[in-house]
Amino acid sequence: DAKTTQPPSMDCAEGRAANLPCNHSTISGNEYVYWYRQIHSQGPQYIIHGLKNNETNEMASLIITEDRKSSTLILPHATLRDTAVYYCIVRVGGGNKLVFGAGTILRVKS
Amino acid sequence: NAGVTQTPKFQVLKTGQSMTLQCAQDMNHEYMSWYRQDPGMGLRLIHYSVGAGITDQGEVPNGYNVSRSTTEDFPLRLLSAAPSQTSVYFCASSSGTGGTEAFFGQGTRLTVV
Repeated sequence: DAKTTQPPSMDCAEGRAANLPCNHSTISGNEYVYWYRQIHSQGPQYIIHGLKNNETNEMASLIITEDRKSSTLILPHATLRDTAVYYCIVRVGGGNKLVFGAGTILRVKS
Repeated sequence: NAGVTQTPKFQVLKTGQSMTLQCAQDMNHEYMSWYRQDPGMGLRLIHYSVGAGITDQGEVPNGYNVSRSTTEDFPLRLLSAAPSQTSVYFCASSSGTGGTEAFFGQGTRLTVV
């Protein structure tokens, strides 16, 4: 699985969009980009995933660059409840054997 | 639909004691995994299973045993607890194929004194 690099922390104002970057320059053609988050000490929660195209669901949007070497998770209207650690994971297979890095601590402030 | 259920939520053990952390899922997922999370760190894979009767080691398997006799259950056994095993343990399940999500339990917080 390709290695990912994320900033250690970010701040975002409540109601504004939160844009979380992830670099995965060694990603291979069949590897998916997954995003999970962990609120306080709860179990990680799946957010979104993509292979090549941009994706959107009820929680977030995922923008993957054309060369697939980086991606951005967008929370369109961040709330205080979105304060969490966000993990970007690159993997060939599905949700098994995930490799978690340190992630990005997102702090949403009022 | 309960998802992934872990029991117990909290446990205190004395050094040398044994115990089993339970994990059950009701989504008929083939893939199940155990992770541990130490303070301020990301999750690390302990053991995983790709189906009933099939298990394999992850990144940090020492001190832990697993078995998978049914699709639904994937217990994690600590044979002789050590203070270094103080951690939060998460169980996860997924269908395993590419482009699928993992579902996590709420964790078991284990303290070994």
